[in-house]
Amino acid sequence: GAGVSQSPSNKVTEKGKDVELRCDPISGHTALYWYRQSLGQGLEFLIYFQGNSAPDKSGLPSDRFSAERTGGSVSTLTIQRTQQEDSAVYLCASRTASSGNTIYFGEGSWLTVV
Amino acid sequence: TQLLEQSPQFLSIQEGENLTVYCNSSSVFSSLQWYRQEPGEGPVLLVTVVTGGEVKKLKRLTFQFGDARKDSSLHITAAQPGDTGLYLCAGARGNTGFQKLVFGTGTRLLVSP
Repeated sequence: GAGVSQSPSNKVTEKGKDVELRCDPISGHTALYWYRQSLGQGLEFLIYFQGNSAPDKSGLPSDRFSAERTGGSVSTLTIQRTQQEDSAVYLCASRTASSGNTIYFGEGSWLTVV
Repeated sequence: TQLLEQSPQFLSIQEGENLTVYCNSSSVFSSLQWYRQEPGEGPVLLVTVVTGGEVKKLKRLTFQFGDARKDSSLHITAAQPGDTGLYLCAGARGNTGFQKLVFGTGTRLLVSP
């Protein structure tokens, strides 16, 4: 596709359930980011993938959060045993050397834990 | 710990007014970006500034990077309703470059006709 695609766009889940959020970056983009945004607030860094390098997981808030990127393309963010404080918009972004300083964001996955 | 503080948090003005949004930090950034985000969408990059003291203009928007590269400002001249949105600054630190952008707290702007 032309842009970063995320699914689902909205997800309501019960506390304690696991959720998976998917990100399809722009084709050919080697760098992929996950950020979390609470209602109307700034973005909180979660994890960064760059090519075949080890991901930077320093932003993951707890061991309930994990992410993987298969084949250097699609990424999945998994939240286990969801808590109400996990409710937020999860934003994926991608970038490549030829895009310079420009990071392209998807529209986000809005997660509500009830 | 929030490394980038933006002010004001909220701004409601009339069409045609001027405004300035500030982005401040005690840390030095190698470069700084400004984004605009509209409801239901991801942030969209407006500008990147990389040199201390740099000023960039984008139509009615003027961006400035502080001399010490710790702060930045966004000035909008003659605001229009289409400028409404959440404005975010984001800094790149040292050798991590754009690996881990640090985002500011955000400024929500509402421009009324």
